[in-house]
Amino acid sequence: QITLKESGPTLVKPTQTLTLTCTFSGFSLSTSGVGVGWIRRPPGKALEFLALIYWDDDKRYSPSLRSRLTITKDTSKNQAVLRMTNMGPVDTATYYCAHSPTSYGEFDFWGPGTMVAVSS
Amino acid sequence: SYVLSQPPSVSVAPGKTATITCGGNNVGSRSVHWYQQQPGQAPVLVIYYNNDRPSGIAERFSGSKSGNTATLTISRVAAGDEADYYCQLWDTSEDRVVFGGGTKLTVL
Repeated sequence: QITLKESGPTLVKPTQTLTLTCTFSGFSLSTSGVGVGWIRRPPGKALEFLALIYWDDDKRYSPSLRSRLTITKDTSKNQAVLRMTNMGPVDTATYYCAHSPTSYGEFDFWGPGTMVAVSS
Repeated sequence: SYVLSQPPSVSVAPGKTATITCGGNNVGSRSVHWYQQQPGQAPVLVIYYNNDRPSGIAERFSGSKSGNTATLTISRVAAGDEADYYCQLWDTSEDRVVFGGGTKLTVL
């Protein structure tokens, strides 16, 4: 079965760079059509799409955060990595990675999420 | 940028039917997906491609579209359905995923 799990720091300081790793099993990011996305939910707010990487290394980003985000994959390790620069308090959120089986952007399996706080 | 509008909250008595709407430009021509997120848990896909149910999702959950509005319908609502619900689609103009603002379903 498909599982995903996020890992990374729980606390970062303002202006620092956040690096989150999604380690997954049950599928390969080299399989045609498959993607892994990152989504976050700040406390008391809605889900927000961040980035998505596909099997062929095609990438999509949130237009409002594009300048701060980089998504990469390591197919041999079954990982997708999200990097977000210049973190600020408004970036405090639970960050999720999720499996996308098609180009329509639906996410059918999600990791449990990892909470990241931004504070000095 | 593309916006998907949902009512912030919907309340329903147990055993009744809940309807949650999702509106936006050209929703009628796009595939809409729905997620349920219970407190402290990750979202769960409950409807994809407008009206398909993933395996394991109860038949009480259904999706539909009319014009530029998509609707999630939950019949015979139970206390365990209390959660936040989000619609989502692919915005072809900016080539990205878009989530609605979410609807908190309260079971009275």
